Amino acid sequence: DAGITQSPRHKVTETGTPVTLRCHQTENHRYMYWYRQDPGHGLRLIHYSYGVKDTDKGEVSDGYSVSRSKTEDFLLTLESATSSQTSVYFCAISDLRGDYEQYFGPGTRLTVT
Amino acid sequence: RKEVEQDPGPFNVPEGATVAFNCTYSNSASQSFFWYRQDCRKEPKLLMSVYSSGNEDGRFTAQLNRASQYISLLIRDSKLSDSATYLCVVTDATSGTYKYIFGTGTRLKVLA
Repeated sequence: DAGITQSPRHKVTETGTPVTLRCHQTENHRYMYWYRQDPGHGLRLIHYSYGVKDTDKGEVSDGYSVSRSKTEDFLLTLESATSSQTSVYFCAISDLRGDYEQYFGPGTRLTVT
Repeated sequence: RKEVEQDPGPFNVPEGATVAFNCTYSNSASQSFFWYRQDCRKEPKLLMSVYSSGNEDGRFTAQLNRASQYISLLIRDSKLSDSATYLCVVTDATSGTYKYIFGTGTRLKVLA
């Protein structure tokens, strides 16, 4: 299994509070991604990073920000959590080698009450 | 039109059956193609990459048809443990960076 961890694995928070999710990799992969997964929508890209301090928006980026100060860490911040951000969040990594496969972390289950 | 489309299923098949899933994609510039497997409440896991020449891994065979823009997955001799959701994934490098576009998945139930 690829060395990807996510923390926390579960979180319950209140509307309006900021929340930060962490993704950590030990594979030295250049690309890192944050997705959310909701029933009926599949995996949707929130933000991604193609190198340290290089990030870009995905299709559902509103209300989220990211930072990548080190190759191994990619942080996702919900600036002011809303109930619509209740979801399962997956981090993924890839590199431009081989078949360009993408590997996923175990996910964070976030509930905003 | 969705960029990647899959039949959501569920496909209910008996053990030992052969089952096939198709997936269509809209971006003719897509370069890499994959099938992932996702178990309930778990992360997606890479099942196999898909090549134009077709590829096989044990009971699993994947095919790519670039002209018609579809990908297929064939599972032979289905096992109970094959029950999962299968995600079709294509890549998009048109913006100069690498992104992955996911289908919503096809759910498979293998019945005893």
